[in-house]
Amino acid sequence: QVQLVQSGAEVKKPGSSVKVSCKASGGTFSNYNFNWVRQAPGRGLEWMGGILPMLNITNYGQKFQGRVTVIADESTSTAYMELSSLKSEDTAVYYCARGHDSGGYYFGYWGQGTLVTVSS
Amino acid sequence: DIQMTQSPSTVSAAVGDRVIITCRTSQTISKWLAWYQQKVGLAPKLLIYQASTLESGVPSRFSGSGSGTEFTLTITSLQPDDFATYYCQQFHSYQLTFGGGTKVEIK
Repeated sequence: QVQLVQSGAEVKKPGSSVKVSCKASGGTFSNYNFNWVRQAPGRGLEWMGGILPMLNITNYGQKFQGRVTVIADESTSTAYMELSSLKSEDTAVYYCARGHDSGGYYFGYWGQGTLVTVSS
Repeated sequence: DIQMTQSPSTVSAAVGDRVIITCRTSQTISKWLAWYQQKVGLAPKLLIYQASTLESGVPSRFSGSGSGTEFTLTITSLQPDDFATYYCQQFHSYQLTFGGGTKVEIK
């Protein structure tokens, strides 16, 4: 059975960067897209970007272009998301989500979420 | 980016009621749409994908319909476990967006 386990909560200063990991187990890591979705306190879901490890193809949301980097390490079945130039508005729970078994960009598997707090 | 308009933002309903949530997109997306349920403090759960395909293990009281720019999620006979927030999500040209969410509250 597929499980996504994310790294722990982070507290960061404005202007710094954060890197969150998502280790996958079950299923063939390379075959599925891995995406990052965030949710600010009391707000909705916001897609940031994703990667298809097999082809090392990334796609990013326009809002995050230039500030987010998603990578995948096939040797450890781990996806990473790095967000730079952090602002207080980046305080949110960050989720990784794996593409559906059907191959589409629907997310049937989610990590537990990582709270990133940006505060001076 | 494709804009998504989800309505209503809140719906008050009783156990046993039928609830309909609508999602409209600013451009046609064929059937590239999913619906999720999210409870407080938890990750979203996939209910419907490809507009109308029920995810494995999801109760049959949930159904989805639509194509192009207008989509609906219907919950027939609302159950206590269904009080949650629901989101639509589109996938078109490798750009994804979520609707603003619909909170289903107890009447």
